[in-house]
Amino acid sequence: DAKTTQPPSMDCAEGRAANLPCNHSTISGNEYVYWYRQIHSQGPQYIIHGLKNNETNEMASLIITEDRKSSTLILPHATLRDTAVYYCIVRGNNAGNMLTFGGGTRLMVKP
Amino acid sequence: GAVVSQHPSRVICKSGTSVKIECRSLDFQATTMFWYRQFPKQSLMLMATSNEGSKATYEQGVEKDKFLINHASLTLSTLTVTSAHPEDSSFYICSARASGGRGPSTDTQYFGPGTRLTVL
Repeated sequence: DAKTTQPPSMDCAEGRAANLPCNHSTISGNEYVYWYRQIHSQGPQYIIHGLKNNETNEMASLIITEDRKSSTLILPHATLRDTAVYYCIVRGNNAGNMLTFGGGTRLMVKP
Repeated sequence: GAVVSQHPSRVICKSGTSVKIECRSLDFQATTMFWYRQFPKQSLMLMATSNEGSKATYEQGVEKDKFLINHASLTLSTLTVTSAHPEDSSFYICSARASGGRGPSTDTQYFGPGTRLTVL
């Protein structure tokens, strides 16, 4: 599976949009981009995933560039409870593929 | 939907004893389950992948005789840490991947809340 690069940390003001970038320049055609987050001492929580089209759900939006080499996770109105480590993971959707976690981005939402 | 539970949430045991951790997918069937381990201030590390009814596949460096995995049904996998030692103290997290059909997005992995193991 392709590797990803994320900034180690980011700050965001409460109520503002949080834009978390991810580079995945070696992504291949059948690999999806997944986003998870992990709040301290809890298991990772699934947020969203996409292949090439932009996606939106009740938690976030995922913007994938046309060349698929990078993506941005957008939390439209960050709250203090969004403080967590956010992981961007690229994974094929074959049965044998699993999620491999990198360092992620530690997002701190501040009042 | 897409709830994965783990039991116990935390356990403290003496060195040399064995500890069993259960992972259940509550509202979907999971052909494949995964076990991860996380040390403080580090990312999750995959330990093994298990498919229902077959032997688990372990990642390099993970001792299969020490970390016994059983995936007896489509909703239950267990991890047994045998002869636990203090260096096995960690946060163990299971994950289940939804099988085909209705319900959560197929092929998406959903994670349990984790089990914190402390070996004295």
